[in-house]
Amino acid sequence: GAGVSQSPRYKVAKRGQDVALRCDPISGHVSLFWYQQALGQGPEFLTYFQNEAQLDKSGLPSDRFFAERPEGSVSTLKIQRTQQEDSAVYLCASSEQTSGVFSYEQYFGPGTRLTVT
Amino acid sequence: KNEVEQSPQNLTAQEGEFITINCSYSVGISALHWLQQHPGGGIVSLFMLSSGKKKHGRLIATINIQEKHSSLHITASHPRDSAVYICAVSPSGNTGKLIFGQGTTLQVKP
Repeated sequence: GAGVSQSPRYKVAKRGQDVALRCDPISGHVSLFWYQQALGQGPEFLTYFQNEAQLDKSGLPSDRFFAERPEGSVSTLKIQRTQQEDSAVYLCASSEQTSGVFSYEQYFGPGTRLTVT
Repeated sequence: KNEVEQSPQNLTAQEGEFITINCSYSVGISALHWLQQHPGGGIVSLFMLSSGKKKHGRLIATINIQEKHSSLHITASHPRDSAVYICAVSPSGNTGKLIFGQGTTLQVKP
């Protein structure tokens, strides 16, 4: 079956431009996560959805970052007025379910490499 | 201090060697994940464990909850094992988000 897909795979933006990154999770997966991975670093949590509800956005670095998942499937991460420090790989992951007691395996997309010039 | 620490950061081995990558964490967890990332590629989950030991092919993962420590072992290493190996934890009582270590870059030479 299809895995998690992300588009575009690569994005070059000029400083100040707005960008939108798309994530298509595995069909039926309830939970969706966005992570940011700077060069040479481990990923860092940005935000989490359970169906269409954004339950945790504590990792979003500024109010320029906005994420949505209006129908509980596809998600979009939007970055307004991009800055050079936004350059990173943006990873999306989905899982069947989540709870505070049990963990479920997360399936990652290939990522979108964003370069802000 | 990071909540998840891995060692070593970089590792070079000769083909056939036994490899160990270590992970220590400082938070309560519901599970620990070992992930593999190839250059330019996505992340693949290798193991998710909350106790004991798991084995898949030449890979073995162990966890000691009391000591908050996990190890990933690769037996009979092969050049195709060259990748970044990342340890991540699911904090207990949380939404399922992962906290990642900084990764261990492994190069296996033929």
